[in-house]
Amino acid sequence: AQSVTQPDIHITVSEGASLELRCNYSYGATPYLFWYVQSPGQGLQLLLKYFSGDTLVQGIKGFEAEFKRSQSSFNLRKPSVHWSDAAEYFCAVALSNDYKLSFGAGTTVTVRA
Amino acid sequence: KAGVTQTPRYLIKTRGQQVTLSCSPISGHRSVSWYQQTPGQGLQFLFEYFSETQRNKGNFPGRFSGRQFSNSRSEMNVSTLELGDSALYLCASTSMGTLYGYTFGSGTRLTVV
Repeated sequence: AQSVTQPDIHITVSEGASLELRCNYSYGATPYLFWYVQSPGQGLQLLLKYFSGDTLVQGIKGFEAEFKRSQSSFNLRKPSVHWSDAAEYFCAVALSNDYKLSFGAGTTVTVRA
Repeated sequence: KAGVTQTPRYLIKTRGQQVTLSCSPISGHRSVSWYQQTPGQGLQFLFEYFSETQRNKGNFPGRFSGRQFSNSRSEMNVSTLELGDSALYLCASTSMGTLYGYTFGSGTRLTVV
């Protein structure tokens, strides 16, 4: 069955430390891959997306993600976290002819001073 | 340019009533999707419209319906509301399809009492 898994429900990180959020997918073919961020009470903001080509993708707010086909993973990283990065992060996948996003359960990031 | 606009932001309804939510996509975007977000089920796809045609539908009962108008604005309707319909309903739009990623609105928070 097709699925998107974010293994970490909650991550706490110190301000200035690095952050890595994991995402694994199970699809027959390589889907389109996305990371979104959601602040409390708000909608989702697209951080970055991967369709093909270079497996290291740069996004907004200093985030990057690496696609690893062999591991069916698309992990999100940031070298130095700011307090404003505290939010919920969602990995999402889509097939080209499906017209929908399938989301992981999300990872809540807490940033401590 | 203006983002995806959802109205109203908040709604309180009584069980058994019906509700209509509205979404105005980014100008030029012809694809509009709807998602339901709850703490228990996460983000779930409801349906997607393009040029007034529904192209995909999620696994929701027939009480959930939607439509799209010629100006790409979309509405979703929930009839015979149940307590479990309490959720954040998010609308997303895109210009050329999944490849370009989706832009989300801030959502409508529906509370059923």
